[in-house]
Amino acid sequence: SYELTQPPSVSVSPGQTATITCSGDALPKKYAYWYQQKSGQAPVQVIYQDTKRPTGIPERFSGSSSGTVATLTISGAQVDDEADYYCSSTDSSGKFVVFGGRTKLTVL
Amino acid sequence: EVHLLESGGGLVQPGESLRVSCVASGFTFRLCAMSWVRQAPGKGLEWVSGISVDGDVEYYADSVKGRVTISRDNSKNTLYLQLNSLRVEDTAIYYCAKVDGELLGDGLDYWGHGTLVTVSS
Repeated sequence: SYELTQPPSVSVSPGQTATITCSGDALPKKYAYWYQQKSGQAPVQVIYQDTKRPTGIPERFSGSSSGTVATLTISGAQVDDEADYYCSSTDSSGKFVVFGGRTKLTVL
Repeated sequence: EVHLLESGGGLVQPGESLRVSCVASGFTFRLCAMSWVRQAPGKGLEWVSGISVDGDVEYYADSVKGRVTISRDNSKNTLYLQLNSLRVEDTAIYYCAKVDGELLGDGLDYWGHGTLVTVSS
């Protein structure tokens, strides 16, 4: 079965840049999506189609993708950005949605 | 404003069945594919199932295939997930999510708050 691989944790100080990677063999042909989930809340989409930011998502969130790796970057991370982050995509057939294992972002 | 409201969760015994529902508002439901995603306690997100705009194509994760049926009623703006032969490992919050388009891979742009399904004897 298809898998997306993320680091389990990332830690930065406030104001620093946080980078979370997501690797998957189908990413050169399939878009990556990123979701933020704060404790006790439903997930929220923060990046779609590799690089686009939904309305209302702060500009400090950005996405990129190159080859088999998609990246979520939070420039000038804030304490409020502490959350679990998930990348998601589909397998090469487009019939299965896959989530990466969560990355816990700590900002302190 | 988009709203997705799940209901139907609860406590059931192993082997029993349950149907969870999701009522959608704030967008043209019949034009969007839909998905169910679950999250076991303390675990990550797991995609469960998806359905096309007309309901004629269904997609399932291997972990639930054969035990779960997704359906939709576009006249009622409602999405359903029928869970059969439930197992302890099916215990999770079940989220309804709107796909940002007609294709399953178009991303999930809105999520409901979820409904908790607990399977325990």
